[in-house]
Amino acid sequence: GENVEQHPSTLSVQEGDSAVIKCTYSDSASNYFPWYKQELGKRPQLIIDIRSNVGEKKDQRIAVTLNKTAKHFSLHITETQPEDSAVYFCAASNNQGGKLIFGQGTELSVKP
Amino acid sequence: GAVVSQHPSRVICKSGTSVKIECRSLDFQATTMFWYRQFPKQSLMLMATSNEGSKATYEQGVEKDKFLINHASLTLSTLTVTSAHPEDSSFYICSARSRLAGGPGDEQFFGPGTRLTVL
Repeated sequence: GENVEQHPSTLSVQEGDSAVIKCTYSDSASNYFPWYKQELGKRPQLIIDIRSNVGEKKDQRIAVTLNKTAKHFSLHITETQPEDSAVYFCAASNNQGGKLIFGQGTELSVKP
Repeated sequence: GAVVSQHPSRVICKSGTSVKIECRSLDFQATTMFWYRQFPKQSLMLMATSNEGSKATYEQGVEKDKFLINHASLTLSTLTVTSAHPEDSSFYICSARSRLAGGPGDEQFFGPGTRLTVL
């Protein structure tokens, strides 16, 4: 089955700096890669996603890149703000009913 | 639109009792719902996939007789934790895919989660 590895587990940056979180996946059939932000005790919130027919997608300060050959994808947050502090999860999905397999999570701390 | 609710939000029960958690899609029809378990400071682990009108598909290592899932309608799925023990204490989250979803790229909408504490 699919396995998703996420790094780093914790990331601390200064406000205004960029943050990068990386994920790798094992199943070459995976073709949908969402990223979620989860605050303590809350539900995961979709912040951006990418499909396998696209190499990069950007939404304001957030961007995601996908390398299908290497089976890895990354989240880039620019001009970080304290409110970006949260746990971020990557996930991967294939055509098998749309189930998501999550990475281990990255706790991002943005220091003012 | 695309709101998913869960009830209860928190539950405390005694060891050996059963607890039912409801997951509802409020403004859309969900043919597929997913149940996840999340321990503190850990990731979301998929427990099972629930399809309306059919038996749930459980992930490897998840006991189907302990975690009973019923998806009786297009807007409701329930998870019953039977004979709960302290190790079952966790954050249980459901998600739902729209009936109109045609492929894996269609968004899943998450419920707010249920915090289960077994004493």
